[in-house]
Amino acid sequence: GEDVEQSLFLSVREGDSSVINCTYTDSSSTYLYWYKQEPGAGLQLLTYIFSNMDMKQDQRLTVLLNKKDKHLSLRIADTQTGDSAIYFCAVFSGYSTLTFGKGTMLLVSP
Amino acid sequence: GAGVSQTPSNKVTEKGKYVELRCDPISGHTALYWYRQSLGQGPEFLIYFQGTGAADDSGLPNDRFFAVRPEGSVSTLKIQRTERGDSAVYLCASSGGQGDGYTFGSGTRLTVV
Repeated sequence: GEDVEQSLFLSVREGDSSVINCTYTDSSSTYLYWYKQEPGAGLQLLTYIFSNMDMKQDQRLTVLLNKKDKHLSLRIADTQTGDSAIYFCAVFSGYSTLTFGKGTMLLVSP
Repeated sequence: GAGVSQTPSNKVTEKGKYVELRCDPISGHTALYWYRQSLGQGPEFLIYFQGTGAADDSGLPNDRFFAVRPEGSVSTLKIQRTERGDSAVYLCASSGGQGDGYTFGSGTRLTVV
């Protein structure tokens, strides 16, 4: 089955850019998603990219996909303290379900 | 409804008891998913419904876990003879199609004491 890996923790200063990385194993993956989870809350869909795209930009968010290396990244420009949360990479590989990574905790300090 | 609704938001039960967790998906979404999230982990797939039928139940950990969706809308996850290891947040999601992603509910936090 699909395996999705993420680094566990990232700390940045307010105003800096944050880059959260993710790798996956199934080369037939079609849709790739980023979700945000704040403490005690459910999962919020941030953005997604289709596998035939290299990049997608949505306001402060930029998603980069390197299909050859099976590497996905999420860049948050001008990171704010309100961006502090856990970010999950999730991959849909044509089976019936999304497979999630363990999440990256982003801590933004003032 | 406007979003995915899960009830109860919190459930504390004694070891060995039976529990039911309810999910009310977004109106018109035919696909419904149950995931389980343990502390410090990502969500893990349990079961997927397309309409009334379970299209994939390969994530259910054992036969104590069962889920139904009799009318293709509301779903109930049922756990028999609960164990302390069942303690987790149970998340429900619905989807209108692959490109839409999944919309998650806020989850039910189950604590087995």
